[in-house]
Amino acid sequence: DAGVTQSPTHLIKTRGQQVTLRCSPKSGHDTVSWYQQALGQGPQFIFQYYEEEERQRGNFPDRFSGHQFPNYSSELNVNALLLGDSALYLCASSAQGLRWNTEAFFGQGTRLTVV
Amino acid sequence: AQKVTQAQTEISVVEKEDVTLDCVYETRDTTYYLFWYKQPPSGELVFLIRRNSFDEQNEISGRYSWNFQKSTSSFNFTITASQVVDSAVYFCALTSYSGGGADGLTFGKGTHLIIQP
Repeated sequence: DAGVTQSPTHLIKTRGQQVTLRCSPKSGHDTVSWYQQALGQGPQFIFQYYEEEERQRGNFPDRFSGHQFPNYSSELNVNALLLGDSALYLCASSAQGLRWNTEAFFGQGTRLTVV
Repeated sequence: AQKVTQAQTEISVVEKEDVTLDCVYETRDTTYYLFWYKQPPSGELVFLIRRNSFDEQNEISGRYSWNFQKSTSSFNFTITASQVVDSAVYFCALTSYSGGGADGLTFGKGTHLIIQP
């Protein structure tokens, strides 16, 4: 049973560019959340997708956007990259139907470096 | 607003010692879940435990144990007879439920645990 998979694992971009990160949830999971983890910090919640819609959003600017596809996979897009966007981006999946037993499974992350 | 505080930035102990990682949380919600995750150098967050706000019973899983006390808003994690493989960054996290499902996790800043041989 494949867990949460993210691609690419590493990425280097230039300031001002745009980037797309991808996530495939664990089998049986229909909800995808994205987190940004700066070096030495805890992950910060960006947003959550369920039924192809953004359900909840953390304190991130509109430069961060996302999408969920009918097969539950998801993309995170970041426009106009800043040096401060350099971080590990983690994707987590969960099963929304198991509301009272939900736990999030995380992927290995995408390390984004903005130069 | 929710908040999770892990006051210990780094802990270093010698193998076989017991070690406790502290976690203090803040939330206005009455229904919430607390988690502990382990993050090895590979980066993936590994789920360790989930506890809901209505269950204050302590839990033991092998060398791991967790102490949840609502009166002090704490959810501490103890590793007994630590091993080198326990070396990692450990995160405490909090989520509450609203509307139709789980909210995003609020994480602490993590505690870097170093187990020396």
